[in-house]
Amino acid sequence: DTGVSQDPRHKITKRGQNVTFRCDPISEHNRLYWYRQTLGQGPEFLTYFQNEAQLEKSRLLSDRFSAERPKGSFSTLEIQRTEQGDSAMYLCASSHSGRPDTQYFGPGTRLTVL
Amino acid sequence: GQQLNQSPQSMFIQEGEDVSMNCTSSSIFNTWLWYKQEPGEGPVLLIALYKAGELTSNGRLTAQFGITRKDSFLNISASIPSDVGIYFCAGQSPNTGNQFYFGTGTSLTVIP
Repeated sequence: DTGVSQDPRHKITKRGQNVTFRCDPISEHNRLYWYRQTLGQGPEFLTYFQNEAQLEKSRLLSDRFSAERPKGSFSTLEIQRTEQGDSAMYLCASSHSGRPDTQYFGPGTRLTVL
Repeated sequence: GQQLNQSPQSMFIQEGEDVSMNCTSSSIFNTWLWYKQEPGEGPVLLIALYKAGELTSNGRLTAQFGITRKDSFLNISASIPSDVGIYFCAGQSPNTGNQFYFGTGTSLTVIP
């Protein structure tokens, strides 16, 4: 197992465009989390899934943000009508619900909105 | 949301020195995690703590879960240049399910 992977690592887009990021968790992990990190700050929780169920989404930043995990494996985070303030690092983490909750992070996707 | 205060914000130390940093919260946590992050990368888990008073080591790193459950400490002994990075604490509150809250980080610079 190679850990949590994210794709793409970098994304540059123009304001108003939609973007989608993918996260592949550690294979035996059933929980998957999305975070946003801006410069000089710690990761900020956005949403999480247990298997395919999205159990917490109230912290998604606006209705332009949505996440899916249709088969309980990989997940996608979509941002519609991007704004310059969406520029940040988007991090994914995974964990196993059957063990003390320890999250392992992927390398992140750096989004730049021009 | 929960507030995690992490201190110091930054440290500049000589190679070989020991380092201490801490994290405090406004409410009780039942899990504390410590991560290290390097530029352009995701946080890497260093140590996980699950019980009040627990003291856990990982090589030159030692972390403790405070007795009050509102704080945690990370010590690095005999620092080396590759210890450079930003160290984050993260806590999980029993009142907010599986959500983790992160501190603002301690930036560590090791001078050879």
